[in-house]
Amino acid sequence: DVKVTQSSRYLVKRTGEKVFLECVQDMDHENMFWYRQDPGLGLRLIYFSYDVKMKEKGDIPEGYSVSREKKERFSLILESASTNQTSMYLCASSLGTGPTNNEQFFGPGTRLTVL
Amino acid sequence: AQTVTQSQPEMSVQEAETVTLSCTYDTSESNYYLFWYKQPPSRQMILVIRQEAYKQQNATENRFSVNFQKAAKSFSLKISDSQLGDTAMYFCAHMIKAAGNKLTFGGGTRVLVKP
Repeated sequence: DVKVTQSSRYLVKRTGEKVFLECVQDMDHENMFWYRQDPGLGLRLIYFSYDVKMKEKGDIPEGYSVSREKKERFSLILESASTNQTSMYLCASSLGTGPTNNEQFFGPGTRLTVL
Repeated sequence: AQTVTQSQPEMSVQEAETVTLSCTYDTSESNYYLFWYKQPPSRQMILVIRQEAYKQQNATENRFSVNFQKAAKSFSLKISDSQLGDTAMYFCAHMIKAAGNKLTFGGGTRVLVKP
């Protein structure tokens, strides 16, 4: 089974702090994604990566950056946390883009609160 | 921009009965995929069912089936013989083949199965 793990289930940070959220997948997937989940808005894509050291902006990249130095690890960085970044953050990975391998597998999520 | 709309924020159903969740989407593309994902309380998001736009036959997975109406841009999910374990948030999502592996999600429908 694919396993996607995230470094923390709950995190509390203060405004202005630099925050790192880590995601690791164990199935050699090419693609990795970061979403934030807010009530009524569903999941919105922040950044994604198709390969090591590659990154692409999603729909809401402002205030975030990412790093993918190794294939299995994809980090989300909040350079200066703000209260409007309080949310649930979900990481996902997928093997490819074809009709039989485009399923995204999700991690358990990190609930981040910025005070 | 692609949009996905789930018009029912919450639904409840008696155990063993059938419930149908609605989803509409907006795209000018012809080659795309549609998904339903399930997020149980405090558990990871998992794929329920997937449909390729060029396939006219509706996808089915055990008790889960879809009604895909391409012209109407509608993709509803039917859960038959509802079980207590079906209680979850359900998200409809859309992926444009030409845009890679990015998912656009609807706002979600919370389903409560009552004993």
